[in-house]
Amino acid sequence: GNSVTQMEGPVTLSEEAFLTINCTYTATGYPSLFWYVQYPGEGLQLLLKATKADDKGSNKGFEATYRKETTSFHLEKGSVQVSDSAVYFCALLIQGAQKLVFGQGTRLTINP
Amino acid sequence: DAGVTQSPTHLIKTRGQQVTLRCSPKSGHDTVSWYQQALGQGPQFIFQYYEEEERQRGNFPDRFSGHQFPNYSSELNVNALLLGDSALYLCASSLGQGEAFFGQGTRLTVV
Repeated sequence: GNSVTQMEGPVTLSEEAFLTINCTYTATGYPSLFWYVQYPGEGLQLLLKATKADDKGSNKGFEATYRKETTSFHLEKGSVQVSDSAVYFCALLIQGAQKLVFGQGTRLTINP
Repeated sequence: DAGVTQSPTHLIKTRGQQVTLRCSPKSGHDTVSWYQQALGQGPQFIFQYYEEEERQRGNFPDRFSGHQFPNYSSELNVNALLLGDSALYLCASSLGQGEAFFGQGTRLTVV
């Protein structure tokens, strides 16, 4: 089946630290991959995406590269800010399918 | 553009009751999907509606049903509520299989 596994949280960093949140997936087809962010009390916002192998998605200083050989889509940011504190979800969508499959989420807290 | 709007934002129901949640899609969108997000978990796909038909369904019992109206808005109905139905219910809209935009969700508490 199709599934997504994220590194367990919570993750706590100091401001300006380097961030990596690991994400690996299992898929029966050729998925598109996504990172969503959920701020407290809000719904999900698309952070970035990649639709094929070796694509790099980027937005707001965050990056993730679609690695087919390692079935991974790790999220990185070079210098985090307090405002990045949120829950981050990795997700996949199989081409032609109708649903997103999410990981369990990683709670990130950035301390000033 | 109001984006995806859901109502109500919070509600509390008693076991065995029925509940209806509502979703208005982003302007121009024709497809609505519903997800259940239990506390501390990722969202789980319930079903998707397109052209007023249920197009695909996740692994949820028949107690969960839905509807899409001609104006593309949608309702999620849950019958015979269980304590385990307590969750954040998210609606997402898209134009066909394009990017999904999520609403802020409805927090359902079953007591």
